[in-house]
Amino acid sequence: AQTVTQSQPEMSVQEAETVTLSCTYDTSESDYYLFWYKQPPSRQMILVIRQEAYKQQNATENRFSVNFQKAAKSFSLKISDSQLGDAAMYFCAYRSAAGTYKYIFGTGTRLKVLA
Amino acid sequence: KAGVTQTPRYLIKTRGQQVTLSCSPISGHRSVSWYQQTPGQGLQFLFEYFSETQRNKGNFPGRFSGRQFSNSRSEMNVSTLELGDSALYLCASSLLLAGGEEQFFGPGTRLTVL
Repeated sequence: AQTVTQSQPEMSVQEAETVTLSCTYDTSESDYYLFWYKQPPSRQMILVIRQEAYKQQNATENRFSVNFQKAAKSFSLKISDSQLGDAAMYFCAYRSAAGTYKYIFGTGTRLKVLA
Repeated sequence: KAGVTQTPRYLIKTRGQQVTLSCSPISGHRSVSWYQQTPGQGLQFLFEYFSETQRNKGNFPGRFSGRQFSNSRSEMNVSTLELGDSALYLCASSLLLAGGEEQFFGPGTRLTVL
């Protein structure tokens, strides 16, 4: 069975600085998708970024980028130029490409942004 | 386009009671997934429905059940509530839940069991 691990329950970053959130996963599959979702306080969860395992190039979305290391089964999220609005719970998620119709989420990392 | 809606937003129940939560997906979305979110546990997958059929189920006891209607709206039911069922229940919808397709989440229903 696949698992997703986020070993950092909480992280802090100064406004305008860069922070990296860690995520590791375990799978025997070769084709899958990885996601980072953001859950702001009392607001709905939204997709931040996604990565297809067959793509070697790391995904980037504006200030958000990932470091995808397939062999190491690592998928970290880097937030550059952190803003107060980035404060949220961040969840890493895995989805098999084999059509199992479910996401597997990590336990989340709470990011605090200090002014 | 309206987002995913969940009703009610808050519920307080006592042990032994049952509860029904409702989810209305984004118009046109046919896949609806349910998750239980608790502090320290993250999101635990409950089940996923597509065109009124359950395609996958998580590791939850049979007290947790769900269904989907022909208009893609979904309900989940928890019978014989236990204190440990207190959680935020999230619903998420997508068109087909195929490939790297994004799931769109609702605001959740916060269930408190006393």
